[in-house]
Amino acid sequence: DTGVSQNPRHKITKRGQNVTFRCDPISEHNRLYWYRQTLGQGPEFLTYFQNEAQLEKSRLLSDRFSAERPKGSFSTLEIQRTEQGDSAMYLCAGRTGSNSGANVLTFGAGSRLTVL
Amino acid sequence: TQLLEQSPQFLSIQEGENLTVYCNSSSVFSSLQWYRQEPGEGPVLLVTVVTGGEVKKLKRLTFQFGDARKDSSLHITAAQPGDTGLYLCAGELSGYSTLTFGKGTMLLVSP
Repeated sequence: DTGVSQNPRHKITKRGQNVTFRCDPISEHNRLYWYRQTLGQGPEFLTYFQNEAQLEKSRLLSDRFSAERPKGSFSTLEIQRTEQGDSAMYLCAGRTGSNSGANVLTFGAGSRLTVL
Repeated sequence: TQLLEQSPQFLSIQEGENLTVYCNSSSVFSSLQWYRQEPGEGPVLLVTVVTGGEVKKLKRLTFQFGDARKDSSLHITAAQPGDTGLYLCAGELSGYSTLTFGKGTMLLVSP
């Protein structure tokens, strides 16, 4: 248990439905990252927050995707009008400490999405 | 184009064998990390290297960062079935706040 909690762990949905994933990092994680991982690939960066501010978004994050971290603690990732290509593991990771030093991430167990 | 190329993509060996996996790039990284990921779980950090030429050991695992900070290797001595998993390298470019991952090397160690 890394202390980073993700829910739900598994989600099966029909194409066109909306889904939301939640990530609860540990309290010391001032930065929070979302990554997507498909079979046979490494994690791909989606977006990250510094406290409640969303500082960077990948080109992978289409307008159907939205992420929030309203109080600088937990975060949600919503996918609207899901497509089969959205099927993947969605990973959340937190980072503690100052802005200096290596960017070491603590990952949650992920939320696996299957779009039928 | 993949920023970090990992090789081999898949490795199946017998318990007790040694192995080396590689992580290569044409870019210079301020730090490079290795993670291990088991099925259905998130990646777990093994080591961070930040200095060119740096060598770190973690029990039977030896990590090396290239002198030019563009590549890294992971050597496992006397592999055990518990070493089975996906080994990911991840690099941080200077001035960026995100980690870029390679595709990983899937290691299967059979008893």
